[in-house]
Amino acid sequence: DADVTQTPRNRITKTGKRIMLECSQTKGHDRMYWYRQDPGLGLRLIYYSFDVKDINKGEISDGYSVSRQAQAKFSLSLESAIPNQTALYFCATSETGTGGNQPQHFGDGTRLSIL
Amino acid sequence: GQQLNQSPQSMFIQEGEDVSMNCTSSSIFNTWLWYKQDPGEGPVLLIALYKAGELTSNGRLTAQFGITRKDSFLNISASIPSDVGIYFCAGRGTGGTSYGKLTFGQGTILTVHP
Repeated sequence: DADVTQTPRNRITKTGKRIMLECSQTKGHDRMYWYRQDPGLGLRLIYYSFDVKDINKGEISDGYSVSRQAQAKFSLSLESAIPNQTALYFCATSETGTGGNQPQHFGDGTRLSIL
Repeated sequence: GQQLNQSPQSMFIQEGEDVSMNCTSSSIFNTWLWYKQDPGEGPVLLIALYKAGELTSNGRLTAQFGITRKDSFLNISASIPSDVGIYFCAGRGTGGTSYGKLTFGQGTILTVHP
């Protein structure tokens, strides 16, 4: 079983729809992250959370929101999807460590297409 | 914000050849990580580097944390077809708003011809 599970794996939807991407983990990590991947741009951080009561904006948070429902769950929402949000989305987790140096572990991604 | 420049963007090599890719940063990092992404999957950690000058190997992979703390390279020796994928460098800044966050390079797409 995967340690970091993302659902759905693929989604096609229309402009203006509300979409939620879910992430759950069995690694027991406190920290969780949402990234989007676009060709030639690498991974860019959308939001991150260092524990259940902590939510922080990343590099490209506009048009997105998140909810950390529990230590193991971190969901990403697009309130009103637009075509330029078509991308591959990744959830990641990491342990809490001194200096914030713990590596991040990724799920297998959600491919989102907005028509 | 911090920026990483990864090169080359893509490589086409013959099986058995050695590969080298690198990342440079506009600012100092205190951690460098190298990930590989296979099609349809998330990035998987290959090597983590935590000290300037550190040289670390993982099988046929070798990575170094540059002395200036602004660069890192990854070498793959004797490439094989399963090395195909996208390789990403990622760096973590030195605190403040960078604490705990990674900045990723644009990725190097590696193709290995048998």
